[in-house]
Amino acid sequence: GAGVSQSPSNKVTEKGKDVELRCDPISGHTALYWYRQSLGQGLEFLIYFQGNSAPDKSGLPSDRFSAERTGGSVSTLTIQRTQQEDSAVYLCASSLDLGIGYTFGSGTRLTVV
Amino acid sequence: AQKITQTQPGMFVQEKEAVTLDCTYDTSDQSYGLFWYKQPSSGEMIFLIYQGSYDEQNATEGRYSLNFQKARKSANLVISASQLGDSAMYFCAGRLNDYKLSFGAGTTVTVRA
Repeated sequence: GAGVSQSPSNKVTEKGKDVELRCDPISGHTALYWYRQSLGQGLEFLIYFQGNSAPDKSGLPSDRFSAERTGGSVSTLTIQRTQQEDSAVYLCASSLDLGIGYTFGSGTRLTVV
Repeated sequence: AQKITQTQPGMFVQEKEAVTLDCTYDTSDQSYGLFWYKQPSSGEMIFLIYQGSYDEQNATEGRYSLNFQKARKSANLVISASQLGDSAMYFCAGRLNDYKLSFGAGTTVTVRA
């Protein structure tokens, strides 16, 4: 596609439920990154993919968070047993190759009530 | 640890004047890249300008220029001839010792008419 697409744009969920956030990168971009932005804060790195592999998962805050990427394209970030502190905007970015030209999606605003 | 520091939480600037946003970085690597992004209230991350560590000239993109002082490890963004539409949060980011971007805390710019 023309840009990085994220869905849903907004998600309200009840505490304890699981959620899946989707990122569709720019066609041909091999690298994909997930970030989290809490209200009024900077961006916190979560995980990145090169192809379908995740060389760096160091930013995932707990084992409730997981991510996968299939076919070198779409990625899904899953949060299990959501907590109120998971409320944030989750941003996805992709780049043609690692470290070159990062383009961000519009994000998914997650609210846990 | 690799780190990006923005020390100005908020800045006010008069329309048509220039404003400088500070950014310092910390890395032991010789090869790295520095980025500035704009985030308006709508939430998307808009790429503004890039400076590579080996670039000898300061990067410029229209009204944006990057004052790169390698010895001081600073990469300040200068916005010239400010416009009302420049009001937003601005983030400095670095691709420092690996492929993920590390972000500063951001600076909110408010342009006054």
